[in-house]
Amino acid sequence: GIQVEQSPPDLILQEGANSTLRCNFSDSVNNLQWFHQNPWGQLINLFYIPSGTKQNGRLSATTVATERYSLLYISSSQTTDSGVYFCAVEASGYSTLTFGKGTMLLVSP
Amino acid sequence: EPEVTQTPSHQVTQMGQEVILRCVPISNHLYFYWYRQILGQKVEFLVSFYNNEISEKSEIFDDQFSVERPDGSNFTLKIRSTKLEDSAMYFCASSLGLAGGGSYNEQFFGPGTRLTVL
Repeated sequence: GIQVEQSPPDLILQEGANSTLRCNFSDSVNNLQWFHQNPWGQLINLFYIPSGTKQNGRLSATTVATERYSLLYISSSQTTDSGVYFCAVEASGYSTLTFGKGTMLLVSP
Repeated sequence: EPEVTQTPSHQVTQMGQEVILRCVPISNHLYFYWYRQILGQKVEFLVSFYNNEISEKSEIFDDQFSVERPDGSNFTLKIRSTKLEDSAMYFCASSLGLAGGGSYNEQFFGPGTRLTVL
């Protein structure tokens, strides 16, 4: 099946810093989503981005489907950004999401 | 804004007991899913459901698991004889899922049911 690799596995930032999270995938995809799992365990949809670039406030994402990677940018990080960020992809021909192992982000005041 | 809901939020059960986890997908969505996340691990696909039948299932989804859409709104996951290793967060998700792609296959997740098997 499709492989999804996220990096870095852990990230510690000071409040106000910027960061880039990466997601590599091994095959062509119909769907790529970024999620934030908050401390209560909820999965919050951040982006649906199988290709191109999107922005939502301090967050933006870019997917280069031909090179099989996606990037999530967090600018001016806040303590509420802490949690685990997951990339999930839907391989061509399937309707299910395969998740990466996530990047655990800790933003300290 | 429409959202996926799940009940209960936390279920504690004894090994060998049956549990039913309940989900109400977003009302106009056609595809429904169950995923699970063992503590500290990644989210894993269990099963997808469309047009009142299973469309895909993973190796995890063995004979102890079953899914059902008993009425027009609920979607349930039954675990017949729970084992210690079934302890996990179970997420229900739904997508609009019309042919032609686009954002119709974006999946929206419920808040999860944390299952603890003692």
